[in-house]
Amino acid sequence: DAKTTQPNSMESNEEEPVHLPCNHSTISGTDYIHWYRQLPSQGPEYVIHGLTSNVNNRMASLAIAEDRKSSTLILHRATLRDAAVYYCILSPGNQFYFGTGTSLTVIP
Amino acid sequence: AAGVIQSPRHLIKEKRETATLKCYPIPRHDTVYWYQQGPGQDPQFLISFYEKMQSDKGSIPDRFSAQQFSDYHSELNMSSLELGDSALYFCASSSRDRDSPLHFGNGTRLTVT
Repeated sequence: DAKTTQPNSMESNEEEPVHLPCNHSTISGTDYIHWYRQLPSQGPEYVIHGLTSNVNNRMASLAIAEDRKSSTLILHRATLRDAAVYYCILSPGNQFYFGTGTSLTVIP
Repeated sequence: AAGVIQSPRHLIKEKRETATLKCYPIPRHDTVYWYQQGPGQDPQFLISFYEKMQSDKGSIPDRFSAQQFSDYHSELNMSSLELGDSALYFCASSSRDRDSPLHFGNGTRLTVT
């Protein structure tokens, strides 16, 4: 399973943008970049995914580097409900291995 | 919209007992994944099924087995339970499309005493 590297923790002020980085230098050409988040005692929640181009949805944006060796999840205006552990996962399709995610703290 | 349903939500067992966890995927999803998450740990992939066949195998102990049935629901059977099996067990489902994301249930909290 391809490896990803994320910071253990990050902080953001409420209503400010948050950029969560992920390094995946060993990504293969067929790997999709997925982001999930998990609140305490809840199942992980799908956030966004992409292959090569930047992606936007109602929850977040995903910026993918041109060489695909890194990506950034962007929350445009952090709210207290965005406090969670965020996981970046590489998937060739039908394989999803969680690494150590980033614990995001949102400061009111 | 229908989500992934897991039952039971909570389960308490004693050491050496057996437990069966159930997962009902989102309608028309044909792939099911099982994950184990210990206290303060990240989710660990156990096993997955596609069209009732085992698709991928992760760090699933030999004491555990799983299967997917004709209606696509899945069961995780755990025998000779150990204290270390106490964890949250999540099931997720997806369609077979290569870029289909996972949809997770709310998990089963297993406590082994």
